[in-house]
Amino acid sequence: GAGVSQSPSNKVTEKGKDVELRCDPISGHTALYWYRQSLGQGLEFLIYFQGNSAPDKSGLPSDRFSAERTGGSVSTLTIQRTQQEDSAVYLCASSLATGRGSYEQYFGPGTRLTVT
Amino acid sequence: GQQVMQIPQYQHVQEGEDFTTYCNSSTTLSNIQWYKQRPGGHPVFLIQLVKSGEVKKQKRLTFQFGEAKKNSSLHITATQTTDVGTYFCASRGMRFGAGTRLTVKP
Repeated sequence: GAGVSQSPSNKVTEKGKDVELRCDPISGHTALYWYRQSLGQGLEFLIYFQGNSAPDKSGLPSDRFSAERTGGSVSTLTIQRTQQEDSAVYLCASSLATGRGSYEQYFGPGTRLTVT
Repeated sequence: GQQVMQIPQYQHVQEGEDFTTYCNSSTTLSNIQWYKQRPGGHPVFLIQLVKSGEVKKQKRLTFQFGEAKKNSSLHITATQTTDVGTYFCASRGMRFGAGTRLTVKP
């Protein structure tokens, strides 16, 4: 079956502009995660959605970052007034979950964001 | 909560040598997951450990979860060039360690 898809694969934007990154999780996966990975670095947790529960936003680095998950499926990560330090690969993952983090995550290919 | 520290940050080995990466936490972990990320790729799930003292093997890879559930290790026997990549541990699926980058010299 289809895996996790993300779009766009690459995004170049000017400092100060807003960007939207999209994630299509695997059908039937109730949990969805967003991460940020800077070049050569680890995965920085951003936000977690689980079913109809309130999302865990504890990893969002500033109020310029927000995310939505509509209809329990597609998710959009929005970065407002982008800064150069926002440049990174943004990874989305989905999983089955009856408890937080209890199942393997399937990662999408990521969106490489470059802020000039 | 449940942050994990991973060491070493880098490891360069000669093909055929063994490799081990360690994941440590100051608090008891409910579970630990291991992922591998090839250069230019995305993380791929390897395994999840849940029980105290658990040991699981996948071919040349051996995963251990400590008795106190505060540490874990991944050991690769007789590394191959296909083992190249960064190995991450993760607690509760979301808190990833910084990763250990493995390079293998043929």
